Amino acid sequence: EVQLVESGGGLVQPGGSLRLSCAASGFTFSSYWMHWVRQAPGKGLVWVSRISSDGSRTTYADSVEGRFTISRDNAKNTLYLHMDSLRAEDTAVYFCPSGYDSFDYWGQGIPVTVSS
Amino acid sequence: QSVLTQPPSVSAAPGQKVTISCSGSSSNIGNNYVSWYQQLPGTAPKLLIYDNNKRPSGIPDRFSGSKSGTSATLGIAGLQTGDEADYYCGTWDSGLSGYVFGTGTKVAVL
Repeated sequence: EVQLVESGGGLVQPGGSLRLSCAASGFTFSSYWMHWVRQAPGKGLVWVSRISSDGSRTTYADSVEGRFTISRDNAKNTLYLHMDSLRAEDTAVYFCPSGYDSFDYWGQGIPVTVSS
Repeated sequence: QSVLTQPPSVSAAPGQKVTISCSGSSSNIGNNYVSWYQQLPGTAPKLLIYDNNKRPSGIPDRFSGSKSGTSATLGIAGLQTGDEADYYCGTWDSGLSGYVFGTGTKVAVL
């Protein structure tokens, strides 16, 4: 059974940092592109970032470019999102779906709240 | 903010069919595959349709997808109360160099 389990979320002050993790199991993690997608309370889905299967290529949404860093450890079957200079508008539930041009599997999501 | 436009809501009686449109441009839908996702209340999204019209294993054939030019459509036939959810289209946008989702459509079963 495919499982994606996000962790590392929580409450952080504006300007602070946070690192999200996504533990994968049940599929060949190292063969899949991975993404981060977020959803602000009561709002729609917004793509945040993606990383190639080998970790050599990354892409970011303009809204997080320069502040967020996506990475992966294929030996640990884990995806990461390091978030710096957090703003109130980064408050959302963060998901880590797998896939290239469609998102086959999704984790349950992890909430991140940026507030003083 | 989204570059893909969907109707905010659609509704129909049980057993009927609804269609959800997704309008984009040549930089996204016009030149890339479209996917559709279902998000039941309080849960993570789930892939319903990929590559414009293909269904993943386990998705009933009541769900169908199509694409024409810069628009895509999701059809849900034989509507059930369990289909009440938010539905999103999604595709790659070559101009933005990023994945884009539609504005989302809430389906209500009357």
